[in-house]
Amino acid sequence: EVQLVESGAGLVQPGGSLRLSCAASGFNFPIYWMNWVRQAPGKGLEWVANIKQDGSDKFYVDSVKGRFTISRDNAKNSLYLQMNSLRAEDTAVYYCASGQWAGDLDDWGQGTLVTVSS
Amino acid sequence: QSVLTQPPSASGTPGQRVTISCSGSSSNIGSNYVHWFLVLPGTAPKVLIFRKNERPSGVPDRFSGSMSGTSASLAISGLRSEDEADYYCAAWDDSVNGVIFGGGTKLTVL
Repeated sequence: EVQLVESGAGLVQPGGSLRLSCAASGFNFPIYWMNWVRQAPGKGLEWVANIKQDGSDKFYVDSVKGRFTISRDNAKNSLYLQMNSLRAEDTAVYYCASGQWAGDLDDWGQGTLVTVSS
Repeated sequence: QSVLTQPPSASGTPGQRVTISCSGSSSNIGSNYVHWFLVLPGTAPKVLIFRKNERPSGVPDRFSGSMSGTSASLAISGLRSEDEADYYCAAWDDSVNGVIFGGGTKLTVL
């Protein structure tokens, strides 16, 4: 059974940093694209970033470019999202999701809440 | 970042068939697969339709997807009260190199 478990939730002040993690199990993690998707309170889903199987390609939504960095450790079956210069509008539940191709979001974790507030 | 266009709301009575549309462009729906998700409050999105209108195991065949040109649709037949939820479409967009989502459609079962 595919399992994706996010961690790293927290309350952070504007301008601060936070690192999210996603632990994967139940599938061959190294051969899947991995994504971060978020949902702000009362808002719709927004794709944040994804990373190719070997980490050679990374793509980001415009609003986080230069502030967020996606990475992965295939030896640890783990995905990460380093978030810097956080803003109030980054407040959301963040989900990790896996897919066989760049545009796929086949399996999802349960999400972790990031709150940016002073 | 561009978005896919969905109606904000849809409704139907139990047993009815409803469809939710998703309009895009040649750089997304016109050239890539469309995925459909169901979101209940406080829960993670659930995949209903992925890639070429495939359903994950466990998703009933009451749910079906279709595509035509730069538009896609999700059809739900035999509507049930438990289908009341938010529905989102998504597709890879070649012009922005990213996944774009529709704004979501809130389905009400009357």
